[in-house]
Amino acid sequence: GQNIDQPTEMTATEGAIVQINCTYQTSGFNGLFWYQQHAGEAPTFLSYNVLDGLEEKGRFSSFLSRSKGYSYLLLKELQMKDSASYLCAVRDSNYQLIWGAGTKLIIKP
Amino acid sequence: IAGITQAPTSQILAAGRRMTLRCTQDMRHNAMYWYRQDLGLGLRLIHYSNTAGTTGKGEVPDGYSVSRANTDDFPLTLASAVPSQTSVYFCASSDSTSGSGTDTQYFGPGTRLTVL
Repeated sequence: GQNIDQPTEMTATEGAIVQINCTYQTSGFNGLFWYQQHAGEAPTFLSYNVLDGLEEKGRFSSFLSRSKGYSYLLLKELQMKDSASYLCAVRDSNYQLIWGAGTKLIIKP
Repeated sequence: IAGITQAPTSQILAAGRRMTLRCTQDMRHNAMYWYRQDLGLGLRLIHYSNTAGTTGKGEVPDGYSVSRANTDDFPLTLASAVPSQTSVYFCASSDSTSGSGTDTQYFGPGTRLTVL
């Protein structure tokens, strides 16, 4: 079967750096997405990786290793507004997104 | 530009009743999707449509039906609601399904449905 694994919850301090990991086993691979979802709101797109390596976008970076079935989302200079759930999703061979359950990130002052 | 709108925002429904969740997008995206989100689980695809006039089944289609009469609208119908269909429902759209690019999915604000 297809599987996306992420930690359920993480806690970090304002101003620090946090890395959220995602491992996947899917039937085919056509890209990996990270979304942010604040409580009670819709998921919003953060990043997309299809080739191995690091994609940087401001305070957020996302890394992909296809051979290891592994990605991480790196958040720098954490702000209180970064408290949210972070969803990892892989597009499979049918071009459908398979979603992880999400990582709830709690930022403490 | 509204993006994607969903209605209603929330609804409490008696079991056995019929319910249609509405979804409209103004981005002229050709692909649209319906997901449900339950606590502790990832988003699960119910139905999708790659283009107007076509629909397909996702991971959890039973008890749900969809139609895609035009590009903008993609309603989801629960013919006879059951308590296990209590969930948050998100509609999404993307520009293409060809894989030639990011084909990022953009989400509506969601409908919180409770079936008693």
